Amino acid sequence: AQTVTQSQPEMSVQEAETVTLSCTYDTSENNYYLFWYKQPPSRQMILVIRQEAYKQQNATENRFSVNFQKAAKSFSLKISDSQLGDTAMYFCAFMKRPNNAGNMLTFGGGTRLMVKP
Amino acid sequence: KAGVTQTPRYLIKTRGQQVTLSCSPISGHRSVSWYQQTPGQGLQFLFEYFSETQRNKGNFPGRFSGRQFSNSRSEMNVSTLELGDSALYLCASSLSGRAGDTQYFGPGTRLTVL
Repeated sequence: AQTVTQSQPEMSVQEAETVTLSCTYDTSENNYYLFWYKQPPSRQMILVIRQEAYKQQNATENRFSVNFQKAAKSFSLKISDSQLGDTAMYFCAFMKRPNNAGNMLTFGGGTRLMVKP
Repeated sequence: KAGVTQTPRYLIKTRGQQVTLSCSPISGHRSVSWYQQTPGQGLQFLFEYFSETQRNKGNFPGRFSGRQFSNSRSEMNVSTLELGDSALYLCASSLSGRAGDTQYFGPGTRLTVL
């Protein structure tokens, strides 16, 4: 079974600054996918960024980038130029890539990020 | 294109009752997954449906069941409700259901069991 750990329950950052959210996971799989999802106070879960484990290049999406360290089983999210709208719960999630098709996300416990003006 | 919709948004039930939640995926999406979100247990996978067949199931008791219709709409049912079933139930849809497909989440149904 896979486990995902987010060791920072809460974080805060000043507007326009950079913040990094940590995520580690445990799996015996070699091929898998990693995701960061954002859940603002409105509760709608939104995909932030996606990483395929067999791609060595770190994924980037505008102000969001990841540092994927496969050997260390680490998948951190960096938010640059933080904005007030980034205030939300952030969830790291794992999906294995089995031979048979299927979707099942395993989530970490979440990090509550507050961006301060 | 309309997003994932879930009805109802809020629901209050009493112990022992049963409840049915509905999820309409994004048009063209064929895979629907359900998750339970609670403060204590976090986000946990319930089950996934693809082409009207349950493809994956999480570690939940048999009181939790679901189904998918030919138009990909899905329902989940919880029978004999317990206080611990109070949670936000999230539905997510993806295009083909292949591993790695992005899952798009609905706003959730907040279930309160009294």
